[in-house]
Amino acid sequence: NAGVTQTPKFQVLKTGQSMTLQCAQDMNHEYMSWYRQDPGMGLRLIHYSVGAGITDQGEVPNGYNVSRSTTEDFPLRLLSAAPSQTSVYFCASSYSIASGQPQHFGDGTRLSIL
Amino acid sequence: DAKTTQPTSMDCAEGRAANLPCNHSTISGNEYVYWYRQIHSQGPQYIIHGLKNNETNEMASLIITEDRKSSTLILPHATLRDTAVYYCIVSSAGGTSYGKLTFGQGTILTVHP
Repeated sequence: NAGVTQTPKFQVLKTGQSMTLQCAQDMNHEYMSWYRQDPGMGLRLIHYSVGAGITDQGEVPNGYNVSRSTTEDFPLRLLSAAPSQTSVYFCASSYSIASGQPQHFGDGTRLSIL
Repeated sequence: DAKTTQPTSMDCAEGRAANLPCNHSTISGNEYVYWYRQIHSQGPQYIIHGLKNNETNEMASLIITEDRKSSTLILPHATLRDTAVYYCIVSSAGGTSYGKLTFGQGTILTVHP
C-alpha cells in the first residue's frame, strides 16, 4: 500500500490563479479530510468526506472546494488563490471515523501564493 | 472536543524510556485519546489511540488513568529519530465534530545521544 499520496509536493502560484491539490489513498478508507498548517496555529480542518459523493465543511472552508467522486480520490481546489492561502496542506484518511479508527496523513503540499 | 494540556518540551536520553504526559480532564465518554507526532515538516504520523484501556503497539504504549482525565505515551527505548513534536488529541467518533482532530501546541521531545 502506498498509503495517502499527495501531489504536487511544492507549488508556487500567483494571486488569482486556480489549482487543484490531489490526494489519493489505496486503503479503501471511507473517510478523507484536508487540513492546512500555518506557523503557530496547528492544523485546521478545511473539508472532509465520509464517503464517495458526500462532502462537508470543516472550520476554514472559504476559498476551497472539494469533491469525492470515488472512494480513492479527494481533490482540493483553490478557486482564486490569495496570499492568505500560503500554507502546508495535508490530506488524511481513515477506515471509519464512526468507530474511532485513526487518520493517516500524507506528506503534504507546500503552497506559496505570490 | 475536550481540550488537552501537554508540557511544552521534554528531553530524553537515547535508549531510555520517554514518558509524555497529557491532561484531558474534560474528556467525555465517547471521546478517544489519540497520539500523533510530527517530525520537521512531514505529515503527522499516527502513533496509538485508546478509549478506556491501556494499549500497546510496535511503536509505543498508551496508559490511560481510570478516570480517563489524563494519559501517558511511553516510547520504551527512545532513539534520535524519535525527536519530534508529539500531539495528544481527544476526539469523538462522529458527532458534530465529525473526525476533526484539534492539534494543539504539542510537546517537543528532544532525544539526546
